[in-house]
Amino acid sequence: AQSVTQLDSHVSVSEGTPVLLRCNYSSSYSPSLFWYVQHPNKGLQLLLKYTSAATLVKGINGFEAEFKKSETSFHLTKPSAHMSDAAEYFCVDSNFGNEKLTFGTGTRLTIIP
Amino acid sequence: NAGVTQTPKFQVLKTGQSMTLQCAQDMNHNSMYWYRQDPGMGLRLIYYSASEGTTDKGEVPNGYNVSRLNKREFSLRLESAAPSQTSVYFCASSGAKRVADTQYFGPGTRLTVL
Repeated sequence: AQSVTQLDSHVSVSEGTPVLLRCNYSSSYSPSLFWYVQHPNKGLQLLLKYTSAATLVKGINGFEAEFKKSETSFHLTKPSAHMSDAAEYFCVDSNFGNEKLTFGTGTRLTIIP
Repeated sequence: NAGVTQTPKFQVLKTGQSMTLQCAQDMNHNSMYWYRQDPGMGLRLIYYSASEGTTDKGEVPNGYNVSRLNKREFSLRLESAAPSQTSVYFCASSGAKRVADTQYFGPGTRLTVL
């Protein structure tokens, strides 16, 4: 079965410094991958998605992710963290490209003023 | 345009009680989903519906039933609530049918079973 592994349950960065949230997938097929963000007591919102059109995917709020097949990774980055980025982030894979999604366990991002 | 709405926002039940969580979307989406979110476990799919009149089990369907009442509405029923069903429940919808696409989430229902 496919799965996603988020390598860090909690990441803390200072405001204005880069953000790196790590995700590895285990699909043996060409996956559809997503990053979602959840702010406290809110529903999830799509940040970006990869569907094989381009390996570097740009999302909302300055986030981007790079699909690396050789490393089975889809890490999320942002050059400069903002206080409003404090949230939980989920890496998500599809089930053989269909609508059944598998969520990682999440990474809580804390921004230090 | 409200997107995905869920009612209620909060609910406390006693063990053995029943209740129905309501979900509606106004985006004319084909697919709808119910997830539960537990600490440290991400979201897990309970049931989904690829179109009106069809429902399929997800990863954790035991103890739940669903109804796709029409294209807009997808309800989740707990027939006999158990403490293990204490969780935050999210409904989502997607325009795609049987393929991976962006899912739009409701604000969630926080359920406590005593």
